[in-house]
Amino acid sequence: SQTIHQWPATLVQPVGSPLSLECTVEGTSNPNLYWYRQAAGRGLQLLFYSVGIGQISSEVPQNLSASRPQDRQFILSSKKLLLSDSGFYLCAWSDDRVSNQPQHFGDGTRLSIL
Amino acid sequence: GQSLEQPSEVTAVEGAIVQINCTYQTSGFYGLSWYQQHDGGAPTFLSYNALDGLEETGRFSSFLSRSDSYGYLLLQELQMKDSASYFCAVHSWGKLQFGAGTQVVVTP
Repeated sequence: SQTIHQWPATLVQPVGSPLSLECTVEGTSNPNLYWYRQAAGRGLQLLFYSVGIGQISSEVPQNLSASRPQDRQFILSSKKLLLSDSGFYLCAWSDDRVSNQPQHFGDGTRLSIL
Repeated sequence: GQSLEQPSEVTAVEGAIVQINCTYQTSGFYGLSWYQQHDGGAPTFLSYNALDGLEETGRFSSFLSRSDSYGYLLLQELQMKDSASYFCAVHSWGKLQFGAGTQVVVTP
């Protein structure tokens, strides 16, 4: 069966520091991968999605970037964090073989910027 | 542009039935999904409607009317564990657009 791992679960970082969040998927190949951010009490905002290695689409201009160095690995990064980057970050995957499949989420990373 | 509207909160007692409505405006509509999220947890997939009509999965059912750009999630025989946020999400051009979520509070 397929599983998705996301770490760390919580992170506290100072303003201006770098960021690297990692997400890996097991049990499937060539998944579509997504990064979302969720502010407290709000819906999910799509940040990036990827349909293959090295293929990244950005949805919202911002201080973050994403990379997909391997088929089942998706990384969210920042060179210099801002206070507004605080939030709950979620990685998700879906099966690319059929369009509009459900997305399956990791447990998320709660990021606090001080 | 794209937009989704759903109520912010619904309160009901155990055993009751709750209906969460979702109206949407989008281009390239492929279907409507529903997700459940407990406090502090990740969203989990509940249902997906691509065609008009009702889809039933146990105590939960979801309905879609493409002509009305409207759908709903029906929660029956409410249990305390159903207290959570519920999100409708539109499938459009291979991506999901989420609503702001409806918090369902189940009371004894």
